[in-house]
Amino acid sequence: QQQVKQSPQSLIVQKGGISIINCAYENTAFDYFPWYQQFPGKGPALLIAIRPDVSEKKEGRFTISFNKSAKQFSLHIMDSQPGDSATYFCAASRRGGADGLTFGKGTHLIIQP
Amino acid sequence: DTGVSQDPRHKITKRGQNVTFRCDPISEHNRLYWYRQTLGQGPEFLTYFQNEAQLEKSRLLSDRFSAERPKGSFSTLEIQRTEQGDSAMYLCASSYEGWVGQPQHFGDGTRLSIL
Repeated sequence: QQQVKQSPQSLIVQKGGISIINCAYENTAFDYFPWYQQFPGKGPALLIAIRPDVSEKKEGRFTISFNKSAKQFSLHIMDSQPGDSATYFCAASRRGGADGLTFGKGTHLIIQP
Repeated sequence: DTGVSQDPRHKITKRGQNVTFRCDPISEHNRLYWYRQTLGQGPEFLTYFQNEAQLEKSRLLSDRFSAERPKGSFSTLEIQRTEQGDSAMYLCASSYEGWVGQPQHFGDGTRLSIL
């Protein structure tokens, strides 16, 4: 049973455009939702995270939108740059992130110059 | 560099052999996690420690896998009698219990290839 579903699997966006990645979760016990960025040969790097008591969080060009009733959350990358080309993973955890993370399958993002 | 350190970065071994990986977490972090990542997939949780206590094990952690964190600092993950299906990237992450949101910081992993 896949507890975090991520879409799309791959995404191509023009430089300067907005990249949008969506995730849906099933386990209502999840209370911490981070996004990670991963480059080939490297470990995932934390981008931004949100708790369910807020509906949106913004850090620089990265924004998480969270819809608790729909059990969905999304990552928006504004003014996408070629350096943003990477694989992005959404994840979820219980106990404020103390438990192990459940990851989505990832989105391979390509930003075309 | 004060990030999570994993050793070795690559390991090639024959099926049936035992392998051991090491993880050194960020120095003030008291939680340590192990994950496995196969090609084209997200990381899958294996187990985690708070200090030296192993608090949770995933169903993915078969009896051929064992993890230790003897002094609450570095951790080792051993796989006995390796199988082809064990080929993956093994990732270690650490976090500090007292931080809001308790973000997990990952190392760059050990890539295991079984011949």
